[in-house]
Parts: sequence; structure tokens; C-alpha cells
Amino acid sequence: DIQMTQSPSTLSASVGDRVTITCRASQSISTWLAWYQQKPGKAPKLMISKASSLESEVPSRFSGSGSGTEFTLTISSLQPDDFATYYCQQYSSYWTFGQGTKVEIK
Amino acid sequence: QVQLVQSGAEVKKPGASVKVSCKASGSTFTDLALHWVRQAPGQRLEWMGWINAANGYTKYSQTFQDRVTITRDTSASTAYMELTSLTTEDTAVYYCARGLRYIILDYWGQGTLVTVSS
Repeated sequence: DIQMTQSPSTLSASVGDRVTITCRASQSISTWLAWYQQKPGKAPKLMISKASSLESEVPSRFSGSGSGTEFTLTISSLQPDDFATYYCQQYSSYWTFGQGTKVEIK
Repeated sequence: QVQLVQSGAEVKKPGASVKVSCKASGSTFTDLALHWVRQAPGQRLEWMGWINAANGYTKYSQTFQDRVTITRDTSASTAYMELTSLTTEDTAVYYCARGLRYIILDYWGQGTLVTVSS
């Protein structure tokens, strides 16, 4: 099984900050990676697929990059609606998720 | 736009089974690939399996292979996930999700809380 590891587990930031979350795969997954945003009591929301392809209606302050085993999700200027937990997920071989990164208010 | 509406919360005793439904609208049902993902309290999301609604083909995670069955009723545009031999470790929110091009989980149901308690 492909293992996904995110860092950090928790990130404290202020509105307007640039935020970066890292996701590492235990083996190469090319660019078969998605990022999800989840708010308490809600289903995950797909934000980015194919490592860097922004879903429609997702604000352009979100971006994804990487290939192989290392990936990043960047929020260029954190907004109040962005405080949530973010998960990476590989779909190269079945589907596995990272443990999540909680973005909280500093 | 695809909408997935799941059945309501369940409370089960250890050893019992649970069957959760996922009704799809906004798309031709037989065009869909439907996945099931669960999330135990404070834990990461965990993929359980998927079904091709057109032909009923299924694939399960090895973690759940012996206990999960995913089926569909094309006349009702509904997929089902049944999990047997429940333990307290199965307490979780269970989600269905569409697999865009089979593999990208883009639309999700609202989730169904299954609580296993004696």
C-alpha cells in the first residue's frame, strides 16, 4: 500500500499569511494526487486534482505542485473561510489519504 | 451537477451488520463509479471500495475485503454499502463519492454516522 504523510499536522496562521502544506508519498505516484478541504461536520471538498489542476470555483489563491513523491499545497493569502483541515490523497494505486493538516487561527 | 444523498444515522451492537444507501441524481446512474470512504473520529479518511454502476463490478480495500459488500440498484439510482461483524472500531462517518473518470472523488454525499456500541 502507498502511504501518504503530511506535514505539519497543525498549522497556526493569520489572515493574509502565505501557507504551505507538504505531502509525501511512500513511492512515486507521478501526479496522481488530489487535495481536499474539510470543515467540521462536512464532507471533504475536492480542491485540486492531478497535483496542480484547480477545480472550478476554487479560489486562485490555492495552488498545488509536485510530482513523484513530494507535493505541496499553497494558499497565497489565507482568508477566514480557509481555516479547515486539508487532506492529500493518492489515486495512483487504489486510494489512500494523508493524516490531515489542520489550519487554525493564530 | 451530481448529488449524492445518503441514508440516516445508525446505531448498531457489536457483531451486527449495517447497510448504508447512497441515492444519486443529476447524472445518468449507470455512468457512475461510486466509492465508499469512512472517517473514524479524529482519524484520516479511509477508502473502502467502489462499484461500477453500469455493470456492478466491485473492488474492495484489503482492509475490508472480508466484511464489506457494495451493491447497486439501477432502478432506484442507489448504491449500498454493507459492513458486517461490526466492532466499536467501526464507529465512523461513512461517505459515498463519485469517481470522476473512475478515480477522482469529486462529489461526496453528506455522510452517514454509524455508531457501534453495546
